[in-house]
Amino acid sequence: GIQVEQSPPDLILQEGANSTLRCNFSDSVNNLQWFHQNPWGQLINLFYIPSGTKQNGRLSATTVATERYSLLYISSSQTTDSGVYFCAVAPYNFNKFYFGSGTKLNVKP
Amino acid sequence: AAGVIQSPRHLIKEKRETATLKCYPIPRHDTVYWYQQGPGQDPQFLISFYEKMQSDKGSIPDRFSAQQFSDYHSELNMSSLELGDSALYFCASSLPGQGEWNTEAFFGQGTRLTVV
Repeated sequence: GIQVEQSPPDLILQEGANSTLRCNFSDSVNNLQWFHQNPWGQLINLFYIPSGTKQNGRLSATTVATERYSLLYISSSQTTDSGVYFCAVAPYNFNKFYFGSGTKLNVKP
Repeated sequence: AAGVIQSPRHLIKEKRETATLKCYPIPRHDTVYWYQQGPGQDPQFLISFYEKMQSDKGSIPDRFSAQQFSDYHSELNMSSLELGDSALYFCASSLPGQGEWNTEAFFGQGTRLTVV
């Protein structure tokens, strides 16, 4: 299967700081999504971004499919941004996602 | 907007018992995925269905089985439960693919299974 590596594994930020999370994957994919898992366990869709750049408020994401990586940018972080951020990819011709091991973000007030 | 509905939200079972988890996908979504997430782990793919047929299979134990029904809802049946089956079980759904691209998948809130 596809290997998905996320970095950093843990991140502590002061409220208001910016951060960049990275997702590397080992093979071509036709779907890439970023999720935020909140403390209650809910997986919240952030971006569906198999290629290109998208922005949603303080969050933005870029996927460079030819180089097999994606970046998630969080600006002006807030305590409610705390949780685990997962990158998940789907290979061509398969109905399944491979998740990375996540980045655990803790934003301190 | 309608979301993926999973039931029950919490379930406590004893070892060797059986459990059935249900998933109701977003209307018009024909693909359903099941994932298992242990404590502190990332979600692991179990099985998926497309148009009521099994599509792909992951690390699903033989004690587990699943199906997708004519109304597109899906059920995950788990028998001879073990302590290690305690986890958060997610169901996700997506629309039919568009050309070479899979479409966005949306996850339900999960069923937290505790085996005692």
